[in-house]
Amino acid sequence: AQSVTQPDIHITVSEGASLELRCNYSYGATPYLFWYVQSPGQGLQLLLKYFSGDTLVQGIKGFEAEFKRSQSSFNLRKPSVHWSDAAEYFCAVGGIAGGTSYGKLTFGQGTILTVHP
Amino acid sequence: ETGVTQSPTHLIKTRGQQVTLRCSSQSGHNTVSWYQQALGQGPQFIFQYYREEENGRGNFPPRFSGLQFPNYSSELNVNALELDDSALYLCASSIGHSPYEQYFGPGTRLTVT
Repeated sequence: AQSVTQPDIHITVSEGASLELRCNYSYGATPYLFWYVQSPGQGLQLLLKYFSGDTLVQGIKGFEAEFKRSQSSFNLRKPSVHWSDAAEYFCAVGGIAGGTSYGKLTFGQGTILTVHP
Repeated sequence: ETGVTQSPTHLIKTRGQQVTLRCSSQSGHNTVSWYQQALGQGPQFIFQYYREEENGRGNFPPRFSGLQFPNYSSELNVNALELDDSALYLCASSIGHSPYEQYFGPGTRLTVT
């Protein structure tokens, strides 16, 4: 069964500092990988996704993520955090085409990001 | 704004009761997925409907059921509510051939007392 681990429940950074949120997954092959952001009272918004190809993917709001097959990781990064980035971030995996879990997302527990001025 | 709406926003029910949650998908989106997000947890996949038929189910009991209608709306029904059913319920709509282009609604917060 596929699973996602986000080791950090809560991260605090200062505005302008760099950010890295960790994500590790377990899956029989290379799944589709996603990062979502959820602000209070809001639904989930897709930041970026990886299906194949270049292992460094760019997303919205200045975020990027790097897929590392050897580490089964898909860490999210941002070079300079803004106060408006404070939210909860979820890593997710999706089953590949042809598999029984195709089209279904499995989410990690989430990482809450607090930004200090 | 994703174009996906959910109603009601909040709901309080008593253990043992039944509840219906509603989702209105983006026009043309023939696939809807429902997720349960307990407090402090990530969303968990409940089931998915494609062209009004159930198309996959997560680890949820049969008292969780759904319907999808031709007008791109859908329902999540939960019978015999338990305290652990208290959660945020999210729906996500997509087009069948692009299942990962999922647009999430804001959710319905269900509290079971």
